[in-house]
Formats: sequence, C-alpha cells, structure tokens
Amino acid sequence: DAGVIQSPRHEVTEMGQEVTLRCKPISGHDYLFWYRQTMMRGLELLIYFNNNVPIDDSGMPEDRFSAKMPNASFSTLKIQPSEPRDSAVYFCASRVKGDYNSPLHFGNGTRLTVT
Amino acid sequence: AQSVTQPDIHITVSEGASLELRCNYSYGATPYLFWYVQSPGQGLQLLLKYFSGDTLVQGIKGFEAEFKRSQSSFNLRKPSVHWSDAAEYFCAVGSGGYNKLIFGAGTRLAVHP
Repeated sequence: DAGVIQSPRHEVTEMGQEVTLRCKPISGHDYLFWYRQTMMRGLELLIYFNNNVPIDDSGMPEDRFSAKMPNASFSTLKIQPSEPRDSAVYFCASRVKGDYNSPLHFGNGTRLTVT
Repeated sequence: AQSVTQPDIHITVSEGASLELRCNYSYGATPYLFWYVQSPGQGLQLLLKYFSGDTLVQGIKGFEAEFKRSQSSFNLRKPSVHWSDAAEYFCAVGSGGYNKLIFGAGTRLAVHP
C-alpha cells in the first residue's frame, strides 16, 4: 500500500497565478479530506468528500478555493487566483469509513509558497 | 464550541527521560480524543485514540494517554524518550459527527542526547 500520495511536494508561484494540488487516496477509502496547516491557524479542515461527493466545504476560506473529486482515486484542490496569505502546507487524508474507528491516513503534504 | 488546548508550544527532554505532553479539551458530550505525531516533512500519524471504557489507552511507539473527565484532559506520556521521538505532537477532538477533527496547536518535542 503506497499510502496517500500528494503532488507536488513543493510549489512556488506568483500572486495571481492558478495553483492546483493533487491527491491520490488509498485504494478502497471512501472518505477524502483536505487540510491546511499554517503557523497562525494550525490544522484546519477545508473540505471532505464521501464517495467522491463533497459533503462539507464550510472550511473553504473563500471562492478562490475549489476542490473536486472526479473519481475514487483522484482529487484536486485549486486556488485561483492565489495570494501570499495562501502560503501553507496542504494535506490530503483518507479513511475507509465515516467513523472514528477508521483512522485518518495523511499524505506528506504540499508546501505552497505564493510570492 | 469545541476546542483543544496544548499549553506547551515547545518541550525539550533528555533521551531516556520520561515525557508528558498536556492536552485540554472543551466538549459538551463524551469526547472522541486522539493524539497524532508529525515528523518533519511528513503527514500526521495516529498514535492512539480514546472513545470510551478504560481511561488509560495504549498506543504505538510506547506511548500512552490518560483521559481525565474531571480535568478535561488527555495527556500523552512515555516513560523513556528516544531520540527518534523528536517531532510535533497534536491532540485532537472529534466534533460534529464522525468526520470533523479539531486539532490543537501542537507541541514540538526536542530530544537531547
């Protein structure tokens, strides 16, 4: 099992550019989560999907952020246009079921820097 | 509203010494509590969890945690720290159903040889 795979590991972009972060969850996991980690705000849940359907996007900071899950093995988080305050580490995580007995498996994250 | 407080931002211990990382939570009902560890450049890994029952729970890597309802605490302990335990540790509480975890700010652990 390769675990949750995120790409790229690092992304540096200029303000105003579009950024796309990618995630491949563990095969067979029905739930996928996007988290953002910053020094100021810690770890925040942005959005999560169940069986490819977005369930709760209340953590998405603003309309510049969008997430999709076109199939069970792929998800994207897009920021358009990007701003310096979006600089953070973005984590994708997946779990088998929607209960706490099913642990979250995190990817290694994408470190985004917007200049 | 649910919240998690980790009072110690940074802790340094000597290798072989005992460790206790503090976590206090605010939650109206019986909480679901977790400890995660994050090594540099890595995602978070679950150390242990508490749902109900025995208030002392054992986890991986020799860690344990004790749930104390009267103190709203879920402190993480290890009797003898190894250099490889240097990492950041996050306490979390389950909120709003099964799929929302609220994380504390984290405690960064440094281990001196």
